[in-house]
Amino acid sequence: NAGVTQTPKFQVLKTGQSMTLQCAQDMNHEYMSWYRQDPGMGLRLIHYSVGAGITDQGEVPNGYNVSRSTTEDFPLRLLSAAPSQTSVYFCASSFQPPSSGVMSGNTIYFGEGSWLTVV
Amino acid sequence: KQEVTQIPAALSVPEGENLVLNCSFTDSAIYNLQWFRQDPGKGLTSLLLIQSSQREQTSGRLNASLDKSSGRSTLYIAASQPGDSATYLCAVGSSNTGKLIFGQGTTLQVKP
Repeated sequence: NAGVTQTPKFQVLKTGQSMTLQCAQDMNHEYMSWYRQDPGMGLRLIHYSVGAGITDQGEVPNGYNVSRSTTEDFPLRLLSAAPSQTSVYFCASSFQPPSSGVMSGNTIYFGEGSWLTVV
Repeated sequence: KQEVTQIPAALSVPEGENLVLNCSFTDSAIYNLQWFRQDPGKGLTSLLLIQSSQREQTSGRLNASLDKSSGRSTLYIAASQPGDSATYLCAVGSSNTGKLIFGQGTTLQVKP
């Protein structure tokens, strides 16, 4: 049981390049999310998915694309990298919606992060 | 729009001290409030979750309280230890669609 695995850990891109951040979980979680963390701004939701084939936008979706073809994988694509996308990216997964008021003990699992620099 | 604020941004205390971290939010229509810990270079680890109908939750030396009417939550850490040094983030669940709104975090340093 590896939890949530993100790759790569570090990446440097040139402006205009595209790339994909990979996220995989082996806990059979329906809910997966991508966040970015910037200094002094906390975590902001980019995109999320409530199950295979279903995705939706979060707070800051522009410049990013996602798909969810399987329960396990939720890749984040940067279409044309910009310096403003320099950030730390976190993938998260859970059984219930992360904001769920239905059941306590709904642990949210985070990956260890992907540090992206766009020059 | 829900906004979550954590003050102070950084805190340094001597080992053994009891301390309180603060979290405030602007919209009281929340499902829950969660506290996370983040170690340098790592992801977030869930610490405590308080449902909107609850007033507090406890786990070991940690106690989290929630006052929806005033839009505040506190995380109380008893008998702090150097191993408690980390960044602590709070997040509110404003809907049942998978969205959490995070505060900026408080970075805690516990000195031996």
